[in-house]
Amino acid sequence: QKEVEQDPGPLSVPEGAIVSLNCTYSNSAFQYFMWYRQYSRKGPELLMYTYSSGNKEDGRFTAQVDKSSKYISLFIRDSQPSDSATYLCAMSVGGNEKLTFGTGTRLTIIP
Amino acid sequence: GAVVSQHPSWVICKSGTSVKIECRSLDFQATTMFWYRQFPKQSLMLMATSNEGSKATYEQGVEKDKFLINHASLTLSTLTVTSAHPEDSSFYICSAGGGGTSGRSGQYFGPGTRLTVT
Repeated sequence: QKEVEQDPGPLSVPEGAIVSLNCTYSNSAFQYFMWYRQYSRKGPELLMYTYSSGNKEDGRFTAQVDKSSKYISLFIRDSQPSDSATYLCAMSVGGNEKLTFGTGTRLTIIP
Repeated sequence: GAVVSQHPSWVICKSGTSVKIECRSLDFQATTMFWYRQFPKQSLMLMATSNEGSKATYEQGVEKDKFLINHASLTLSTLTVTSAHPEDSSFYICSAGGGGTSGRSGQYFGPGTRLTVT
């Protein structure tokens, strides 16, 4: 079993829809949770960074962490074609330690 | 967001030669940098953790004598692929960790370097 599980997709939704992406993990020591967006042949871009459980909102993006269930989510509201990319969840034990990544979910927003 | 640069963005080299990739944090000091490689349609695989002024820590299965890492300053880490072979062809990405006095949280990735060994 992988430490971090993420459905690879692909996931296709119409423009304007709400997108829900999620990851589960097995290591209860993880404290820091991140979501990255990666366009083809580019480096990952940090979208959301959260510590411990709770919700965090930034514009159209909302990240949720439920440590009791070992489950994290990223919601994208009013999805746009420019949101089409691979979304990677990542987590770490310490704040500046190596990340453990999910496999990434390929998302396509259909105009 | 924080800016991390990599140079070169794309390199082709002949088998048996060495290639150096630079990673710079442009607007914050990073005590820790990380090097990853990524194969097509796969997630990132951590190769090593680079700490300023000390030896890098390599992940299991990564040859430290083949992938030389130097972190000479708080803004620069280099990865040298020595005696490159076609199987080393990949997308190499660095990241710089915030924390400490940097005022940054999380890890910020460079744009990546595509290495092709012929």
